Parts: sequence; structure tokens; C-alpha cells
Amino acid sequence: RKEVEQDPGPFNVPEGATVAFNCTYSNSASQSFFWYRQDCRKEPKLLMSVYSSGNEDGRFTAQLNRASQYISLLIRDSKLSDSATYLCVVISYGNNRLAFGKGNQVVVIP
Amino acid sequence: DTAVSQTPKYLVTQMGNDKSIKCEQNLGHDTMYWYKQDSKKFLKIMFSYNNKELIINETVPNRFSPKSPDKAHLNLHINSLELGDSAVYFCASSQDRAGSSYEQYFGPGTRLTVT
Repeated sequence: RKEVEQDPGPFNVPEGATVAFNCTYSNSASQSFFWYRQDCRKEPKLLMSVYSSGNEDGRFTAQLNRASQYISLLIRDSKLSDSATYLCVVISYGNNRLAFGKGNQVVVIP
Repeated sequence: DTAVSQTPKYLVTQMGNDKSIKCEQNLGHDTMYWYKQDSKKFLKIMFSYNNKELIINETVPNRFSPKSPDKAHLNLHINSLELGDSAVYFCASSQDRAGSSYEQYFGPGTRLTVT
């Protein structure tokens, strides 16, 4: 099983709709989780950290489910500018493991 | 002001050559990283340095050698380049290696093409 798995998509989303996707991880000792956004031919940029209690930043909501070992990202009221690839990152400090998923590609359609 | 910079941005070279990519960060961060993103867009960590000490060394060919002259710089030297080395190489830095300080700032990437 891969360390971090994401369904690459693409997720074609009508403008204004809600889209959600998950990222599963295999290491139960993982401690920190993040979502990054990567635009085409650009570098990844931090979108948000994922806290145990879940967190929200505007139209974006991140959740962590430790029992089932996945994190999720939900985007409400999708904008054309949300079109990008969303990468999850899973970190385990004890053995210095840091792994990115392959990303969920989101395409917002007018 | 550029936070994490890499040079060169594009690098086209022939098989068998040796090349270096340079990375500098002006954020005062303690930790720096090198990643490889292949044609399938998979971003894989290669190395990480914390205060010039190697802390992550993934399974990469020993043709790849990172060097950190100081905590603001992490260079990547590649010997005997192969076709499979063609990829985008990203440098990144983070304040620390724990918690929220783990937010990584990425450079713009170096697009390496080996012919």
C-alpha cells in the first residue's frame, strides 16, 4: 500500500458547486497533515493545515479521520480560479517520513 | 523579494553530463528540501537538511549529491545524467520540522531535460 493515496481525477465541477475528495495514508503514526495547491507549471503552495478537530478557511474545509486514516478537503461554491491540483502531505516526525500524494486535479467548469 | 529561489529555471543537457542546481532561501528557515516531480506529476522528496545536517535521505541514486554550505543554501549536484532524470526539481524550506512550523515554501522549480 502506498504511503499516501489520492484519486487523481480529474474532478470536473460546475462553477458554484461543491466538490470533496479524500487522501488516505498508510502510516498510523502520522502526525501532521496539510493540503497544498499546485497550479499548472507552478510550485506547490500551502492551502491549509489539517487539525484533528477539523478546520475551515472560507470556502475550504479540511477534516482528519484518524480511525480510517484519511484526510479530506471540501470546496464550496467553486470558482474558476479553484482549478488546480490539490496535494495532500502526511508527516511522521518519529522516523522523518514526509510524503506527498499524487494530487486531486480539480477543473471548475463555467 | 523572492523567498526561495532556484537557478537555473531551465536546464537542457546531454546524457552523461554533470550538472548542479542551486537553491537559496531568505526566510531564515532552518530546514531545506529537494523534491523531484516527474512527468506524472508525482512529487517525491529526495533530501532534507536541517541546519546543514542531512535528516532525510530517500532512496535516490548516489549520482545525486546534495550540499548545504550554510542553512540558507542547499545545492543539488547530479553526476552522469540519465534520460530518467528529466523532471522538475523543486527546492523548499520550512522554519522547522514540527507542527505548524512545517509549512514549506517552494521555489519556482528547475525544469531539467536530459537528451
